[in-house]
Amino acid sequence: DVVLTQTPPTLSATIGQSVSISCRSSQSLLDSDGDTYLNWLLQRPGQSPQLLIYSVSNLESGVPNRFSGSGSETDFTLKISGVEAEDLGVYYCMQATHAPYTFGAGTKLELK
Amino acid sequence: QIQLVQSGPELKKPGESVKISCKASGYTFTDYAMHWVKQAPGKGLKWMGWINTYTGKPTYADDFKGRFVFSLEASASTANLQISNLKNEDTATYFCSRWYFDFWGPGTMVTVSS
Repeated sequence: DVVLTQTPPTLSATIGQSVSISCRSSQSLLDSDGDTYLNWLLQRPGQSPQLLIYSVSNLESGVPNRFSGSGSETDFTLKISGVEAEDLGVYYCMQATHAPYTFGAGTKLELK
Repeated sequence: QIQLVQSGPELKKPGESVKISCKASGYTFTDYAMHWVKQAPGKGLKWMGWINTYTGKPTYADDFKGRFVFSLEASASTANLQISNLKNEDTATYFCSRWYFDFWGPGTMVTVSS
């Protein structure tokens, strides 16, 4: 199974600060169809996960553009340019290139 | 608007069975497969598998083969998850999610306790 390693496990930020989360994969997530199925999700406390970014860098509809994704093959990054209070929660990367689909362990974003 | 509405919380004893439903609305149900995802209390997300909502064919992750069954009531735009011979470690919130993980249900909490 593909292992996704997220760092850091916890992130403390002030409002307005820019932060990044890393997601490293145990194998390339480049699919034979040319796409890379690496997504980022946010789970706010007590809520279901919400898709933020799909296929590495595509912003899901309705998601603020302070969120951005980058990377390729095995190394991926989610950046939040100017944290807002509503961004607090746990961020997960997940891959849908190789079955079984797998999730990172999560990065908890807290207010400093 | 697109919605996935799941059935309510369940309290079961070990050895019993449970059936969770996920009713879709706002789109053509058979156009998008459905995933099931498990989240144990205080833990991360684990993909259980998916069901093709057009053919009804399920695909299970290895850890969910045997006691877990994905099924459909396509006429009601509903996907179901049935867990038999419940164990304490099945205590979790179970989410349904549309194929692209773009829409999620609110989750159904299943508690297994004697």
